[in-house]
Amino acid sequence: DIQMTQSPSSLSASVGDRVTITCRASESISSYLNWYQQNPGKAPKLLIFAASSLQSGVPSRFSGSGSGTDFTLTISSLQPEDFATYYCQESYSMPWTFGQGTKVEIK
Amino acid sequence: QLQLQESGPGLVKPSETLSLTCTVSGGSISSSNYYWDWIRQPPGKGLEWIATIFYSGTTYYNPSLKSRVIISVDTSKNQFSLKLTSVTAADTAVYYCAERRYSILPGGEGAYWYFGLWGRGTLVTVSS
Repeated sequence: DIQMTQSPSSLSASVGDRVTITCRASESISSYLNWYQQNPGKAPKLLIFAASSLQSGVPSRFSGSGSGTDFTLTISSLQPEDFATYYCQESYSMPWTFGQGTKVEIK
Repeated sequence: QLQLQESGPGLVKPSETLSLTCTVSGGSISSSNYYWDWIRQPPGKGLEWIATIFYSGTTYYNPSLKSRVIISVDTSKNQFSLKLTSVTAADTAVYYCAERRYSILPGGEGAYWYFGLWGRGTLVTVSS
């Protein structure tokens, strides 16, 4: 199985801050990397697929980059509705695996 | 607009079988554009992919659960289902059904798969 490691596990930030979350794969996964946002008590929601493609309807303040083993999710200007937990997920090979999550909290 | 809804018992006894159904509405489960998946999340923890099925019946399982899991599809009811046998407290989780789709990107290397739509999830507790 491919292991996905996110950092940090949690972070505190203020509205308007630029936030970056990192995801590292245990082996090269090219650009087969997705990002999801999960609010408490809700199902995950797709933000980014193929490492950098923005899902339809997702605000442009979200962006993704990277390839191979190292990836980042960036929120350019954090909004109140962005305080949530974010997960990366590899789609290179089954079993599909997720990172452990990064919780973005209000500072 | 496609929607998914999980249903099934919220409480299962240890050693028994967990059975869940996902009803697809607003679209056909027989579409060749989608696979249909189950994913779970123990309380306060991360996400674990369980299994996937195509409308034709093609299946793939997470090896960590394969010996205990059966995923099936009923195209006449627009539903797919999950059975997990010999459950323990470690199987307590929110179980999500999800639609998995792909995109082909210019200059890309092939089909990029992702979980495009999720059900709301259902909490299953394993306890006597």
